[in-house]
Amino acid sequence: EAGVAQSPRYKIIEKRQSVAFWCNPISGHATLYWYQQILGQGPKLLIQFQNNGVVDDSQLPKDRFSAERLKGVDSTLKIQPAKLEDSAVYLCASGPLVGGNTEAFFGQGTRLTVV
Amino acid sequence: GENVEQHPSTLSVQEGDSAVIKCTYSDSASNYFPWYKQELGKRPQLIIDIRSNVGEKKDQRIAVTLNKTAKHFSLHITETQPEDSAVYFCAASSPPVIRFGAGTRLTVKP
Repeated sequence: EAGVAQSPRYKIIEKRQSVAFWCNPISGHATLYWYQQILGQGPKLLIQFQNNGVVDDSQLPKDRFSAERLKGVDSTLKIQPAKLEDSAVYLCASGPLVGGNTEAFFGQGTRLTVV
Repeated sequence: GENVEQHPSTLSVQEGDSAVIKCTYSDSASNYFPWYKQELGKRPQLIIDIRSNVGEKKDQRIAVTLNKTAKHFSLHITETQPEDSAVYFCAASSPPVIRFGAGTRLTVKP
């Protein structure tokens, strides 16, 4: 089966600029996650969708980050304005909804560098 | 919410030796514990998982144990090989959220 698709793979922007990332999950997966992975650290959940509803966005810096999942399929994550500390790999993952627990299948990620 | 602690942060072993990575979690409602392997520049990939109704699970050279009372679980890799070198992440799922540990960088020296 096709995997989780993310674009772009790399992005370099200046601080205070805006940036958007796109994710296409595996077909049929109800759950979609956005993670931030700073170099040398574990993935940190930013937001989790179940279909097109938000399950958890408690760690999303809502003053600058936003995400949407229209029609319960593709999702976009936006940062506006970006800060230097936003430099990280942004991983999208999706998973089937099976018995309340879900394995996460990860995309390749978008490496963001804020200069 | 769930909080997952992982130790050690780095681990270096000789080829053929065993490696053990330990994690603790805080939310007693967590009932699914996956382990992911992330090679340099690649995406995390699931290598093994365990559910709370099971105490141990094994898949060839990899095994995971779970102690629900103590809220800790461990990954055991036996007969390590250089290709096992990667960053390993534990995670705990308190449905429907998954939280990851900070990761362990395993280096297997030939």
